[in-house]
Amino acid sequence: DGGITQSPKYLFRKEGQNVTLSCEQNLNHDAMYWYRQDPGQGLRLIYYSQIVNDFQKGDIAEGYSVSREKKESFPLTVTSAQKNPTAFYLCASSIESGTGVSYEQYFGPGTRLTVT
Amino acid sequence: QKEVEQDPGPLSVPEGAIVSLNCTYSNSAFQYFMWYRQYSRKGPELLMYTYSSGNKEDGRFTAQVDKSSKYISLFIRDSQPSDSATYLCAILYSSASKIIFGSGTRLSIRP
Repeated sequence: DGGITQSPKYLFRKEGQNVTLSCEQNLNHDAMYWYRQDPGQGLRLIYYSQIVNDFQKGDIAEGYSVSREKKESFPLTVTSAQKNPTAFYLCASSIESGTGVSYEQYFGPGTRLTVT
Repeated sequence: QKEVEQDPGPLSVPEGAIVSLNCTYSNSAFQYFMWYRQYSRKGPELLMYTYSSGNKEDGRFTAQVDKSSKYISLFIRDSQPSDSATYLCAILYSSASKIIFGSGTRLSIRP
C-alpha cells in the first residue's frame, strides 16, 4: 500500500523537551511538507523540502527544525524554543511540479502533540 | 486581510439536502482552486480542483470558481452522513512555494 505514515499518533511531552515527529512516504514523491493545524486556523506551513538534502522555511518555522537525508523521510523536531507547541501536526508529500508546489498533496494521518 | 477566508461553521443539514460551501480570496493571481476533505482525526485528502475559472463536476460534487468576484464554492448534492467532515478550500498560483488553505468548514449531515 502506497502512502504516508506518521508516528506516533499521539505524543505527550513535558515543557522544555525537544521531540521528533516521524514522517515516511513510499509514494516516490520528491516534495515533502510539514503543516501545523490549530482549531479555526487552517493549515500553516512549517517547512518544506523539494529535494533530498534541501529544505526551506515556511510561514511558522521558528522553534522547529527538519532534515531530509532520504527521499522517503522528513522528520520534524519541535524544540523547546517553540512557544506554543501543542497542536495537530500533518506531514504531506507531492510530486515535484518543477514550477512550484503541486496542487495535489497527499497527507499522513497526523500526530497530535500535547506539551504540558 | 487574509488571503483566503472561509466560514468555519459548523453547518448541519439533513440527509439529502444540497450543501453549499464557500470561500473568498484576495489575490487575483491565484490559478488553482482546490477543495480538501478532512475526516475527524485524519489528514486532509484532495476532493476536487479547478484550474482558472468555471465549473467542474464529479458525481455529487461540483466545484465552482468565479474569478470576477474572487469566490469559490463547493456544492454537494444528495448529501449523505458519510459526507460529514471538515472541508478546506485551498488556493495556489503557478510557481508558488506554498498552498494557502482556508480555515475549514465543519459539515454535519443528519440522518
